[in-house]
Amino acid sequence: GAGVSQTPSNKVTEKGKYVELRCDPISGHTALYWYRQSLGQGPEFLIYFQGTGAADDSGLPNDRFFAVRPEGSVSTLKIQRTERGDSAVYLCASSPGGKLAYNEQFFGPGTRLTVL
Amino acid sequence: DQQVKQNSPSLSVQEGRISILNCDYTNSMFDYFLWYKKYPAEGPTFLISISSIKDKNEDGRFTVFLNKSAKHLSLHIVPSQPGDSAVYFCAASARNTGNQFYFGTGTSLTVIP
Repeated sequence: GAGVSQTPSNKVTEKGKYVELRCDPISGHTALYWYRQSLGQGPEFLIYFQGTGAADDSGLPNDRFFAVRPEGSVSTLKIQRTERGDSAVYLCASSPGGKLAYNEQFFGPGTRLTVL
Repeated sequence: DQQVKQNSPSLSVQEGRISILNCDYTNSMFDYFLWYKKYPAEGPTFLISISSIKDKNEDGRFTVFLNKSAKHLSLHIVPSQPGDSAVYFCAASARNTGNQFYFGTGTSLTVIP
């Protein structure tokens, strides 16, 4: 595909459940980012991968959030014991560059997560 | 704490006129700045960037100005077109502290035909 894709586009779950959100970056992009965007706010950084490793996970709000990128391409954001406050649009972005590169990020359309 | 601020949540401009969107930041370590445009139900799309070694970068109708002493940047769109109506986000990063980008809260631009 030409761009970053994210699945599902919408996810409704109940409080306490586990969810997985998937991101397919642009082919060949080594850097991958997850952001969370709440209503009326800008994207908030969660985690950054360079290749398979999480180079910076300082934005993950707590240990209920975890992300993996086992083969350096597709990434999955995992949220355990979901809470109503986790409701937001989760954005994924990829960029071609390595560490410390000035690179624009290409965003996917996001997954809208609603926790009831 | 909000390190990147966009104090105008919305802006309306007549078609053909100039749109000026403003952004302020607090972290003096930021050395790379970007503007993104976002339509409803889509992810943000990169528009233009500027590094701290410059004070101006131009790309067609879009120009970004950086005032490091004031920790302020602005995006100028001339002439504004109805298709420019979207939410615009300012973002900043400090290259020597990694690749984390900090986003403002966005300004919703409406260009009136």
